[in-house]
Amino acid sequence: GAGVSQTPSNKVTEKGKYVELRCDPISGHTALYWYRQSLGQGPEFLIYFQGTGAADDSGLPNDRFFAVRPEGSVSTLKIQRTERGDSAVYLCASSLTSRNLELFFGEGSRLTVL
Amino acid sequence: GDSVTQMEGPVTLSEEAFLTINCTYTATGYPSLFWYVQYPGEGLQLLLKATKADDKGSNKGFEATYRKETTSFHLEKGSVQVSDSAVYFCALTGSGGSEKLVFGKGTKLTVNP
Repeated sequence: GAGVSQTPSNKVTEKGKYVELRCDPISGHTALYWYRQSLGQGPEFLIYFQGTGAADDSGLPNDRFFAVRPEGSVSTLKIQRTERGDSAVYLCASSLTSRNLELFFGEGSRLTVL
Repeated sequence: GDSVTQMEGPVTLSEEAFLTINCTYTATGYPSLFWYVQYPGEGLQLLLKATKADDKGSNKGFEATYRKETTSFHLEKGSVQVSDSAVYFCALTGSGGSEKLVFGKGTKLTVNP
């Protein structure tokens, strides 16, 4: 498809489990962003990539969260030892470059930690 | 740190009513300002933007003017339609030339026929 694709759309897991969320950006977009959105809140920045490298990971809440983008296209957000407070919608966005701030968002992956 | 404050919703209007959604910001330096919109069942999408003071962003009948003196970027539309029902987010670029966006909490708009 032409847009940003995120999988899974819904993930239910148990406290303490490991979770991976995948983002497939728009083809040719070099910048990729991860945000987290809790109920009733705006998106909260987690990390962004320019190419393969994480240019800014200042929003990752702690060392249980990690993201990779090994070939400069698809990215995976990894959450270890999930906690109930990690429940949220995880949004991925891409843009042509990091200086072009028109972000194109996917529909998100809803994570529920029981 | 940088932040965005939007008027609390939800906002409910009748079709053809005038819309204002207030947005004020706190930032160091000179951020760019944005309105993003999320229609039901869809991802966020850019509605309009302004990159410097006194710039006016416009799209789909919506307008917002970058007011440095009042640190505001209020969203307006003269005549709303049912299809404008969505959640609207005000956002700014982070300080120091950061490439990340800082979002407000969002304002849900419902337009009734």
